[in-house]
Amino acid sequence: DIQMTQSPSSLSASVGDRVTFTCRASQSISSYLNWYQHKPGKAPKLLIYGASILHSGVPSRFSGSGSGTNFTLTISRLQPEDFATYLCQQSYSSPPWTFGQGTKVEIK
Amino acid sequence: EVQLVESGGGLVQPGGSLRLSCAASGFTFSNYDMHWVRQATGKGLEWVSAFGTSGDTHYPGSVKGRFTVSRENAKNSLYLQMNSLTAGDTAVYYCARGETIQILYSHYYYMDVWGKGTTVTVSS
Repeated sequence: DIQMTQSPSSLSASVGDRVTFTCRASQSISSYLNWYQHKPGKAPKLLIYGASILHSGVPSRFSGSGSGTNFTLTISRLQPEDFATYLCQQSYSSPPWTFGQGTKVEIK
Repeated sequence: EVQLVESGGGLVQPGGSLRLSCAASGFTFSNYDMHWVRQATGKGLEWVSAFGTSGDTHYPGSVKGRFTVSRENAKNSLYLQMNSLTAGDTAVYYCARGETIQILYSHYYYMDVWGKGTTVTVSS
C-alpha cells in the first residue's frame, strides 16, 4: 500500500498569513493527489484533486502543486474559517485509498 | 441539496456487532461509488470500505472479514455491518461519495460529498 506522510503535523498562523504544508507519497503517484479540509464535527470537504485542480466552489486562495512523490498545499491569505485540519489522499493505486495523518492549522 | 446522513453509531462491547446506515439525497445514488471512512480520535482518516456501481466491494486488511458493506439503491442507502469489534474500531465513521472526472487523458478519483459522521465506541 502507498503510505502518505504529511508535515508538519500542526502549525500556528495568523489571519492573513501565507501557509504551506507538504504531503509525501511512499512511491510515485503522478498527480493523483487530493486535498481535504476537515473541521471537528463537520463533514470533510474536498478542496483540490489532481494535485492542483481546485474543486468547484473552493476559494482561489487555496492552491496545490507537485507531482510524483512530493506535494504542497498553500493558503495564500489565511482566513478565520480556514483553521482546520488538512489531509491529503492518494488515488493512484486504489483500493486502498490512503490518507495522510493531517496537518492541523491553529490560530497563533 | 446533495446530502449524506449517517446513523447507527453507539456504544458496543468488544466482540459485538453494529450496523451503520447512510442515507443519500439530492443525487442519483445508483450512479456513484460509495465509501465508508473512519477517524479515530487524534488520528487521520482511514478508508474502511467501498461499494462500486458495478457491485464490487473492497476493504483494507484491517477490517476484511469483519466488516461488510452493502447498498440498497432503491432506498438510496449504504450500510456497514461491523462484526467482532475491537477497541481499535472506535472512531467517527463517515459515508462518502466517490467520483471520477476525466481531464485530457487522466482520470482523477476523489470523494466529493461526505456526511457529518456517526460515532462508534467499542468499550466494556
